[in-house]
Amino acid sequence: SQTIHQWPATLVQPVGSPLSLECTVEGTSNPNLYWYRQAAGRGLQLLFYSVGIGQISSEVPQNLSASRPQDRQFILSSKKLLLSDSGFYLCASYQGGGNSPLHFGNGTRLTVT
Amino acid sequence: AQSVAQPEDQVNVAEGNPLTVKCTYSVSGNPYLFWYVQYPNRGLQFLLKYITGDNLVKGSYGFEAEFNKSQTSFHLKKPSALVSDSALYFCAVRDTGGYNKLIFGAGTRLAVHP
Repeated sequence: SQTIHQWPATLVQPVGSPLSLECTVEGTSNPNLYWYRQAAGRGLQLLFYSVGIGQISSEVPQNLSASRPQDRQFILSSKKLLLSDSGFYLCASYQGGGNSPLHFGNGTRLTVT
Repeated sequence: AQSVAQPEDQVNVAEGNPLTVKCTYSVSGNPYLFWYVQYPNRGLQFLLKYITGDNLVKGSYGFEAEFNKSQTSFHLKKPSALVSDSALYFCAVRDTGGYNKLIFGAGTRLAVHP
């Protein structure tokens, strides 16, 4: 079964600093990968998804970017963080038949100060 | 537009009593529906899904969900709640635009009291 690793688990960064969050997936190959953000402990918003190496689709305009340099690696980045970038960032993976659920990592809690 | 609504921010139930967490959806065509649970500072754990077939779906940890097409609902249920069921529950529908994206509801916090 799939295992999704996210690091760091928590991060406190000042406004204007860069960001790099990493997600790696084990136990599968050629998965679809997703970045979700959860604000204030509630709803989830899809930020980016990727169906393959170098293929990134953005769902909402924002201060963040994503990259997929390897099949099972998905990176979320920013050049200059904003206060509004604070939140809980979740990486998810989909692989397999059309009825499979998404599998989620344990998330990274980002606080921008 | 596709959407999922969870009308209750919080549900309170006594341990041992049945619980229901409500979800309604709006999507064109046949819906693919999911329930997830989230414990504090953790990712989402998959509970169950409805794709087709029986309207009553059984999932992990004794949870089940009832699909009702006419009411466009997919309520999560459990016959006897446990204190350890206290968590944040999310209903989701698969985006018909492809790529297996999920659209989530705002979440419902379940509090089970001893």
